[in-house]
This record gives sequence, structure tokens and C-alpha cells, in this order.
Amino acid sequence: DGGITQSPKYLFRKEGQNVTLSCEQNLNHDAMYWYRQDPGQGLRLIYYSQIVNDFQKGDIAEGYSVSREKKESFPLTVTSAQKNPTAFYLCASTSRRGQLDTQYFGPGTRLTVL
Amino acid sequence: RKEVEQDPGPFNVPEGATVAFNCTYSNSASQSFFWYRQDCRKEPKLLMSVYSSGNEDGRFTAQLNRASQYISLLIRDSKLSDSATYLCVVRLNTGGFKTIFGAGTRLFVKA
Repeated sequence: DGGITQSPKYLFRKEGQNVTLSCEQNLNHDAMYWYRQDPGQGLRLIYYSQIVNDFQKGDIAEGYSVSREKKESFPLTVTSAQKNPTAFYLCASTSRRGQLDTQYFGPGTRLTVL
Repeated sequence: RKEVEQDPGPFNVPEGATVAFNCTYSNSASQSFFWYRQDCRKEPKLLMSVYSSGNEDGRFTAQLNRASQYISLLIRDSKLSDSATYLCVVRLNTGGFKTIFGAGTRLFVKA
């Protein structure tokens, strides 16, 4: 089955720790995205990548880092510099770079800072 | 002012009711419009795209008014399974493409 997978589903982090969230897709999509969702707010874009070895900051990139070494994978690292990391993190992909294609989402990772 | 605004609800309706959601957007560079459905603690899933002429998919009808910068979603004959949060989504063409998500409207359909 083609789709987007994210792991882990739930993640608990102590303050001061970096954690990495996995996102993998087998849809052969060029563009991938990371969003953060907080209660009562819309999804906010953290980072996006339109092609391998290239990525751009979104609206709330501070305290996060990404890499895009393979087309299928777009991991997100939440660093200790992110002041309020507890949130629901969603990875998405589209088939064409910046075109009007639908965004397909992974099942999400729920991160809690203890 | 938020770029995409929705009534957060919740809307509580009985089965069989007709319910309408509204969404306004502020950026005139908005080019594409969508409604997504998000179940509790799950990822958003595309419900339908919204076309200028209006479009229908079964019990769901979407309308777009570019002059008023307004989008609507009408659900007829509500089912219990329609209970979810409905996200209004706008894609801008400002040199590059940017997608803006509304905060969503919660719907509870009760027996």
C-alpha cells in the first residue's frame, strides 16, 4: 500500500533533549512538508522540501531542523531550542513541487515534553 | 486578522439535519480552495476541492465566492459518522505556493 508513515505515534521528551520524528513516503512524491498543530489553531508550516537535498523554512522553523537525503524520507528534529514543543506533528507530501496538488498527510506524531 | 477564519463551533445537530460551515480568507492571491476533514487525534484528509462554479459530492456541497472571499460547505442529511472537525484550506500563489489552514469547525451529529 502506498502512503505516508510517521513514527513514533507518541513520543515523550524531557526538557533539554533533542528528538527526531520520522516521516517516510512511498508515493514517489517530490515535495514533503512538516506541520505543527496546537489545540484551537490551524496547521502551521515548520519546514518543506521540494526536492532531495533542498529544504526551506516555513513560518515557525525556529528550534527545528530537517534533512532530505532521500526522496522518500524527511525527518524532523525538535531541538532543545524549541521553547514549547508539545504538539501534534504532521508530515505531508504532494506529487509536484508547489503545484496545485492535494496534500496527503501521515498519521502524525504526538510529542509531549515532560 | 487570521488569513483563513472559521467559526470554531461546536455545531451540535441531530441526525438528518442540514448544516452549513463558512470560511473567509483575506489574501486576494488565494488560488485554490479545499475542505479537509479531521477526526479526533487523526490526520486531516481531503474531503473535497472547491471550484468557482460550486461542486457537489453526494451529501456535500461546496461553494466559493471570490468577490466576497468566502467559502462554504453544506452537509445534507447528517450522519453520526460526519462528526469531525472540518478544515478550510486555501492555497496562495505568491511567487511560490503556500497553503494556509483554518483552525477548523467542530461538528457533533447526535442520534
